[in-house]
Amino acid sequence: DTGVSQNPRHKITKRGQNVTFRCDPISEHNRLYWYRQTLGQGPEFLTYFQNEAQLEKSRLLSDRFSAERPKGSFSTLEIQRTEQGDSAMYLCASSSRTGEYEQYFGPGTRLTVT
Amino acid sequence: GENVEQHPSTLSVQEGDSAVIKCTYSDSASNYFPWYKQELGKRPQLIIDIRSNVGEKKDQRIAVTLNKTAKHFSLHITETQPEDSAVYFCAARVGSGYALNFGKGTSLLVTP
Repeated sequence: DTGVSQNPRHKITKRGQNVTFRCDPISEHNRLYWYRQTLGQGPEFLTYFQNEAQLEKSRLLSDRFSAERPKGSFSTLEIQRTEQGDSAMYLCASSSRTGEYEQYFGPGTRLTVT
Repeated sequence: GENVEQHPSTLSVQEGDSAVIKCTYSDSASNYFPWYKQELGKRPQLIIDIRSNVGEKKDQRIAVTLNKTAKHFSLHITETQPEDSAVYFCAARVGSGYALNFGKGTSLLVTP
């Protein structure tokens, strides 16, 4: 499968624990995005990377959230001290230099905080 | 942040009829407007997009129209089929960046 992949697909954690998600973009896509989607809503932008540089962060992204893309390939999103309000689907997307605005989504990681 | 309003929130049509979903946006700098289809439990799938230098774009049974002056754009699906049933999201590029602002979605049901 040459599409965007995300791991794990599901994560259940207790409130206060830290969690980390991984996203592997489509090969050679230089931009990578993180979104959050809750039930009945559209995806909400969190942050994006161009190569390894994090260029934009949403005001939604609290200090408990951190994202990295150290080598400009895969990315990780970490949530520290999880809260019940963090329960959502975390979606990753990527786009290429040529199709610069077209974003292709991964299957998401569903986080449940109990 | 900049808003994208989408309506209707639900739409039910009979197989073979047309479906139209409308979105408005507030950021006058937006110049890219994609539409995504999301089936239950699956990833959003890019189905068509339009840029601000174009007024209409078609791809088989789907088309998108854009009115930049009025800041609205629409998705048109003709000859609907049951497999078109899904949630459709419109989105708009935010300013000069690469983030997308999404509408809240339209749940389309096509009944045989």
